[in-house]
Amino acid sequence: GIQVEQSPPDLILQEGANSTLRCNFSDSVNNLQWFHQNPWGQLINLFYIPSGTKQNGRLSATTVATERYSLLYISSSQTTDSGVYFCAGRISGTYKYIFGTGTRLKVLA
Amino acid sequence: NAGVTQTPKFQVLKTGQSMTLQCAQDMNHEYMSWYRQDPGMGLRLIHYSVGAGITDQGEVPNGYNVSRSTTEDFPLRLLSAAPSQTSVYFCASSLSGNYGYTFGSGTRLTVV
Repeated sequence: GIQVEQSPPDLILQEGANSTLRCNFSDSVNNLQWFHQNPWGQLINLFYIPSGTKQNGRLSATTVATERYSLLYISSSQTTDSGVYFCAGRISGTYKYIFGTGTRLKVLA
Repeated sequence: NAGVTQTPKFQVLKTGQSMTLQCAQDMNHEYMSWYRQDPGMGLRLIHYSVGAGITDQGEVPNGYNVSRSTTEDFPLRLLSAAPSQTSVYFCASSLSGNYGYTFGSGTRLTVV
């Protein structure tokens, strides 16, 4: 079926640690995006990354479309990185984007 | 440049009432969509539009109507509110289906 799956579901880190979040997506999904939802509920687009690697400060993302996965790297984590990270993909042949259920990250001071 | 603006931020409805959630963007984006977010379920697509006059259904369209008379506005109508529609509703827009989304700040709706 059409799926976007994220792992791990929950992650607790000490400030300064690095982490990798994973998003697996089925054959009929492409055009990956990553989002951060902060504790106040606001959704921020981090990356639009259908393939390849992008970096923005301490965050970077890699999508290997041929192997149906994307990774979000957070380096030197800060308490402000806490929240839920979602990946979303577009169903091929449509304009519909579906979301994974998210990775809840808590960074401890 | 306000981005994506949603109103109201909070709303309480009685079962059976109708209402319209407003969404407006000032970025000349063609693509707009509505999602609902329920605890532990991520975001689910309700309806979307690829341009003025063009709308289509998402994963969970029942009980909701949309229209897109202008590029800027994409209102979501609840026809007869039910407790199952208690949720947080997000509107999003993008330049096209091949660009990243910009989200509004959400509307928290409670149906009693």
